[in-house]
Amino acid sequence: DAEITQSPRHKITETGRQVTLACHQTWNHNNMFWYRQDLGHGLRLIHYSYGVQDTNKGEVSDGYSVSRSNTEDLPLTLESAASSQTSVYFCASSESRAGTGSSFFGQGTRLTVV
Amino acid sequence: GQQLNQSPQSMFIQEGEDVSMNCTSSSIFNTWLWYKQDPGEGPVLLIALYKAGELTSNGRLTAQFGITRKDSFLNISASIPSDVGIYFCAGYTGNQFYFGTGTSLTVIP
Repeated sequence: DAEITQSPRHKITETGRQVTLACHQTWNHNNMFWYRQDLGHGLRLIHYSYGVQDTNKGEVSDGYSVSRSNTEDLPLTLESAASSQTSVYFCASSESRAGTGSSFFGQGTRLTVV
Repeated sequence: GQQLNQSPQSMFIQEGEDVSMNCTSSSIFNTWLWYKQDPGEGPVLLIALYKAGELTSNGRLTAQFGITRKDSFLNISASIPSDVGIYFCAGYTGNQFYFGTGTSLTVIP
């Protein structure tokens, strides 16, 4: 069965370290998204990609980067982790750019920056 | 950044009752989406709305895309215990997604 998986599920890192969160989907979706979820803010879009070699900034992209070298993967990198980046991170993929049709979220990565 | 005002923030209802929640914005959206999130899981897409005035159902769920394109409503009829969770609205502008802060639903058997 097709799926979308995130790894790791939990991570603790130190301030200033570079961290990469993985997202892998086997739906063959062109459209992939990264969100962070914090209490009181709902989900906020960090970066998104509409296909290989395409990346775009979302609402809260500062301090984050993504790369899309193939259809299946969209890794999210925190260049220099900060305590303000402690959050739950969700990756999503969808059939359409609007997130409609076949559309799925991963189970999330809980990141703690100490 | 863009804020979607979702209300109510939480609801406690008896099993079998109907539920209504809504989402409003100061900006226009091309698409409205409604999601449900269970604890420890990612959101699951429930309904997508594509044009102003559209009314769409998915089982016991009905959602509407407001005529002004600045709001949307979700109704759940005859609630059951498995409806428990957090419901989020989201608006898509054409290149950005914005989410509401969620409505936490508790269904009392």
